[in-house]
Amino acid sequence: SQTIHQWPATLVQPVGSPLSLECTVEGTSNPNLYWYRQAAGRGLQLLFYSVGIGQISSEVPQNLSASRPQDRQFILSSKKLLLSDSGFYLCAWRGWGAGGGYTFGSGTRLTVV
Amino acid sequence: AQSVTQPDIHITVSEGASLELRCNYSYGATPYLFWYVQSPGQGLQLLLKYFSGDTLVQGIKGFEAEFKRSQSSFNLRKPSVHWSDAAEYFCAVGEGLTGGGNKLTFGTGTQLKVEL
Repeated sequence: SQTIHQWPATLVQPVGSPLSLECTVEGTSNPNLYWYRQAAGRGLQLLFYSVGIGQISSEVPQNLSASRPQDRQFILSSKKLLLSDSGFYLCAWRGWGAGGGYTFGSGTRLTVV
Repeated sequence: AQSVTQPDIHITVSEGASLELRCNYSYGATPYLFWYVQSPGQGLQLLLKYFSGDTLVQGIKGFEAEFKRSQSSFNLRKPSVHWSDAAEYFCAVGEGLTGGGNKLTFGTGTQLKVEL
């Protein structure tokens, strides 16, 4: 069966420090991968998506970047965190073809102080 | 651009009472629609989805939703709520992306409180 792993679960980082959040998927190949951010009272906002290795698309301009070095690995990064980067970050995957749902990881709570 | 509206930010129901959470979408083509539930500090769990066919969709945990194209709605229902249903519920619409793939656009969520 397919599983998605996301870590760390919580993270407290000072302003200006770098960030690396990792997401891996098991039990599937060539998934569509997504990074969402959830801010209180604002639902979920799509940050990045990837349809294949090395293929990254950004939905909104921001202080973050994403990479997909392997088929089932998706990394969210920042060189210098801002206070506004605080939030709950969720990784998700979706298989190809119609009929599939999106499966989410358990999320990372990032607090920038 | 497509959008999803969940008009109720908070809803409180008594345990055993029926529940309906509203969702309206804006999308040009036939939508792919989803309902997710999120417990505090957790990821999202898929409750049900609609792609085509029967407009009444059954999901997990006794939830169902009805797609009404004429009203652009996809409301979530449960006949008898349990205290463990207290959580935040998100409606979402799926759409294609340029360059391939799909994405979900979410509503802002409805926080459900269950009174014992």
